[in-house]
Amino acid sequence: DAGVTQSPTHLIKTRGQQVTLRCSPISGHKSVSWYQQVLGQGPQFIFQYYEKEERGRGNFPDRFSARQFPNYSSELNVNALLLGDSALYLCASSLVGRDYEQYFGPGTRLTVT
Amino acid sequence: SQQGEEDPQALSIQEGENATMNCSYKTSINNLQWYRQNSGRGLVHLILIRSNEREKHSGRLRVTLDTSKKSSSLLITASRAADTASYFCAADGLTFGKGTHLIIQP
Repeated sequence: DAGVTQSPTHLIKTRGQQVTLRCSPISGHKSVSWYQQVLGQGPQFIFQYYEKEERGRGNFPDRFSARQFPNYSSELNVNALLLGDSALYLCASSLVGRDYEQYFGPGTRLTVT
Repeated sequence: SQQGEEDPQALSIQEGENATMNCSYKTSINNLQWYRQNSGRGLVHLILIRSNEREKHSGRLRVTLDTSKKSSSLLITASRAADTASYFCAADGLTFGKGTHLIIQP
């Protein structure tokens, strides 16, 4: 079975622009979580979705939003990009939710100039 | 703020030696998960220990959990060069620490 996939792999944007990142979970997984990882730090939790509903939100501004589709894939949107949004954005899927191991995708490297 | 905090921040040992890293967390948890990350790419799940468990093994990995001290440890036995990576603990799989960077020297 294919693992978690994310697109694009790399992205360069300018301050003030908007970006959409995509994630496809492992087949059969219904929960998707998004994380931001700044260089040298651990992943920071942004959102968790389960069965197309938001089940958790981290301490991120409203510029960050996400949704989950009927096929359980997910998108993360970031508006009004700031230089500080430059990071590796990771998507993880799991069978149910936080009580089960998560499988991470390779991430999307976002650079904001 | 980050729930999990790993210690030490960096660890360098010789191949074949054992590596131990520790994790502390702040609030009650349902489980504690350990992950490995190579070269800033996606994380790989290593082991999950639930709050009612005290010790768990998986291959060369041994994890302990002390809920009274809000701490966990990860032991990697007979280390190999391929174990060189960053290791993170995650409280309930959601809040990660800053990680321990492990270097295995041949």
